[in-house]
Amino acid sequence: EVQLLESGGGLIQPGGSLRLSCAASGFTFKFYAMSWVRQAPGKGLEWVSTVSSGGGVTYYVDSVKGRFNISRDNAKNTLYVQMNGLRDEDTAIYYCARRGSHDGFDIWGQGTLVSVSS
Amino acid sequence: DIQMTQSPSSLSASVGDTISFTCRASESINTYLNWYQQKPGKAPQLLMYGGSSLENGIPSRFSGRGSGTDFTLTITGLQPEDFATYYCQQSDSMPWTFGQGTRVEIK
Repeated sequence: EVQLLESGGGLIQPGGSLRLSCAASGFTFKFYAMSWVRQAPGKGLEWVSTVSSGGGVTYYVDSVKGRFNISRDNAKNTLYVQMNGLRDEDTAIYYCARRGSHDGFDIWGQGTLVSVSS
Repeated sequence: DIQMTQSPSSLSASVGDTISFTCRASESINTYLNWYQQKPGKAPQLLMYGGSSLENGIPSRFSGRGSGTDFTLTITGLQPEDFATYYCQQSDSMPWTFGQGTRVEIK
């Protein structure tokens, strides 16, 4: 079964750091670009970051540039995002998602909640 | 950044109805437009890509059309499991952006 499983969320104070992980299974992870998409409570979806299949190319939404770092370990079939300098507005469910061969996000994890609060 | 605007924000409909809602891009995105369905407490699910192509396993009552800046998602013969929020997303250029969503509620 094709699956993505996020972990690492939790409650963190403003200015703190957190690393999220996304374990992939059921498909050849190294062939696909991977992304993080977040959803603030009661709000819509926001694309956050993408990493190419090989890991060499990364993209970020402006609001997280310089604070978040996306990476992947293709040997471990795992996607990461290191989040530093967390702000209240980073509070959201963070989903990892596979960019499918037809361009949309075709596989999603169940999400992990990040709450930034003092 | 390309802004995606969905309308209406919400609509009420009955089982069996045919409904349509729209997504407008602030500039041309060719057909780089994807649609997602999200149910409460669940992750989104890809319904359509390329504006009009149905993702594997998605029922044929879902259809999409459009190119450039204007796109439409139609559900023909609404089923109980279709009551959800629908998002469009452009993948033409970074940053990829989503619309704010259209919530389909039971009348």
